[in-house]
Amino acid sequence: SQQGEEDPQALSIQEGENATMNCSYKTSINNLQWYRQNSGRGLVHLILIRSNEREKHSGRLRVTLDTSKKSSSLLITASRAADTASYFCATDSRGGADGLTFGKGTHLIIQP
Amino acid sequence: GAVVSQHPSWVICKSGTSVKIECRSLDFQATTMFWYRQFPKQSLMLMATSNEGSKATYEQGVEKDKFLINHASLTLSTLTVTSAHPEDSSFYICSAVSGAGDTQYFGPGTRLTVL
Repeated sequence: SQQGEEDPQALSIQEGENATMNCSYKTSINNLQWYRQNSGRGLVHLILIRSNEREKHSGRLRVTLDTSKKSSSLLITASRAADTASYFCATDSRGGADGLTFGKGTHLIIQP
Repeated sequence: GAVVSQHPSWVICKSGTSVKIECRSLDFQATTMFWYRQFPKQSLMLMATSNEGSKATYEQGVEKDKFLINHASLTLSTLTVTSAHPEDSSFYICSAVSGAGDTQYFGPGTRLTVL
């Protein structure tokens, strides 16, 4: 069942600005992952953060996790036109043995 | 590494026919693969979990007799949509987990259109 909620649903910013997307979930989790999907394509894995981690960085990406609030945020710094895509958070409760529960996604548009 | 492929990329079929979609892990062995469905402008919904050598586990509301899953080897899982109808038109995406890892790697998806 769908438990994640992303906000905003859509976000349009200028190239070079930072983009922040939030995700909330309802049940306890083992991991939370962020994925990017370009229109009509498969998903690209961005970053995985475990329930005992609070923050993780990967290049221009910064992810935070607050298990007390059951929420996560994805920050993309110095955005580029190529970052235009839909971004989804996904959670599991048992690691790799579990299918993922996806949020509704945020559609990010970077204006050149 | 961790590349997952799907075949075909897209398929158009007539109502009542069956369609088979393949999901392959190209450079790793996947004991577990997952099948998801995505309707236009919506998120992904888990359909079933496929374990090599055993029966698939289906999510609530997914008809196992309609969506047949076979995971005959550590690198291949197939999803067969039987007697497809227009409402089955969707984007079907598989994913695979490498070994004891937690990251799911997704295939490029298969767009099914049933006329």
